[in-house]
Amino acid sequence: EAQVTQNPRYLITVTGKKLTVTCSQNMNHEYMSWYRQDPGLGLRQIYYSMNVEVTDKGDVPEGYKVSRKEKRNFPLILESPSPNQTSLYFCAVKGLSSTDTQYFGPGTRLTVL
Amino acid sequence: DAKTTQPNSMESNEEEPVHLPCNHSTISGTDYIHWYRQLPSQGPEYVIHGLTSNVNNRMASLAIAEDRKSSTLILHRATLRDAAVYYCILPNNAGNMLTFGGGTRLMVKP
Repeated sequence: EAQVTQNPRYLITVTGKKLTVTCSQNMNHEYMSWYRQDPGLGLRQIYYSMNVEVTDKGDVPEGYKVSRKEKRNFPLILESPSPNQTSLYFCAVKGLSSTDTQYFGPGTRLTVL
Repeated sequence: DAKTTQPNSMESNEEEPVHLPCNHSTISGTDYIHWYRQLPSQGPEYVIHGLTSNVNNRMASLAIAEDRKSSTLILHRATLRDAAVYYCILPNNAGNMLTFGGGTRLMVKP
């Protein structure tokens, strides 16, 4: 069964305390990405990766870092979180074809105080 | 990248058909039209996609206008479980789905 796993699912932290949200997949797909979802703004892409060691900025990359050292994992790093990064975060996975289905993780609800 | 326009919300009665419209007037010839939906408290999930011809699957049908500038997602018999936000998306040439936009919030009344 196609699976995208995110951890943690919920996190409350304080401003400036570095954190990492992990994402892993069991589908051997090349493409992975991170979105954030805020009320009234829909889903906005933060970063994406089309293969190992290949990452690129999405629409809203400021304040975030990513890495893709292995095909199955794509962690999202907030080096110095701020309250405006309080949001619901989704990891997504798909193949490289424009017809491939995109699979989403269950989401991580982050609150930065 | 081509953009899509959808109504903010729609209402339907249970067990009636629902037609969810999407305008994509700047679509290019190679853009596939994808539909996803997001149930409450879940990540988005795939519904259907198509290029030129109408498409059917177990979840829905997709009707694509002849000029491809619009499409309609058809739920043949809406159920309460179909209440969700429906997104119409055109991936760019790299297959990279950038922005989902606001989508259409479908409310289904019993």
